[in-house]
Amino acid sequence: EEQLVESGGGLVQPGGSLRLSCVGSGFNFVGFWMNWVRQAPGKGLEWVANIKQDGSDKYYVDSVKGRFTISRDNARSSLFLQMNSLRAEDTAVYYCARSLARTAYGLRLDSWGQGTLVTVSS
Amino acid sequence: DIQMTQSPSSLSASVGDRVTITCRASQRIRDYLNWYQQKPGKAPQLLIFAPSSLQSGVPSRFSGSGFGTDFTLTISSLQPEDFATYYCQQSYSTPPTFGQGTRLEMK
Repeated sequence: EEQLVESGGGLVQPGGSLRLSCVGSGFNFVGFWMNWVRQAPGKGLEWVANIKQDGSDKYYVDSVKGRFTISRDNARSSLFLQMNSLRAEDTAVYYCARSLARTAYGLRLDSWGQGTLVTVSS
Repeated sequence: DIQMTQSPSSLSASVGDRVTITCRASQRIRDYLNWYQQKPGKAPQLLIFAPSSLQSGVPSRFSGSGFGTDFTLTISSLQPEDFATYYCQQSYSTPPTFGQGTRLEMK
């Protein structure tokens, strides 16, 4: 069974840091771009970042550039999101999701994890 | 960034109804458009991509169409399990962006 499982969420103070992880199983992890998508409580979906199969290309939404870093470890079928300088508006459920490419027909998110909640509050 | 606007934002319907949700892009995106379904407390699931191809396992009562800036998701005969929130998403350019969602509720 293809599966993505996130972990690492929790409560953090504004200005703090958190590292999210996502482990893939049941599929060829190295064959996919990997994405982070977030959803603030009661709100819609917002794409956050993605990373190429070999880790050589990374893209971010403007609101997290310079604060968040996406990375992966293909040997462990793992995806990470290092989040620094966290703000209240970063409070959300963070999902990892896979895609075949960065854009066009390949950027369809066909498998998602269950999500991990990040709460930024004092 | 490309803005995606869905209408309506919410919709009340009954089992057996035919339902159509519209998604409009702020610029032309060819057919790089996907639809997702999300149920409360769950992760979104891909329904339709490109924008008329059904994801594996999705019932044939779901269909999608459109090109350029205007797209539709149609459910031909609503079933109880279809009451959920639906999102469109463009994959034409980075960042990929989602519509605000359409909440489909039982009448």
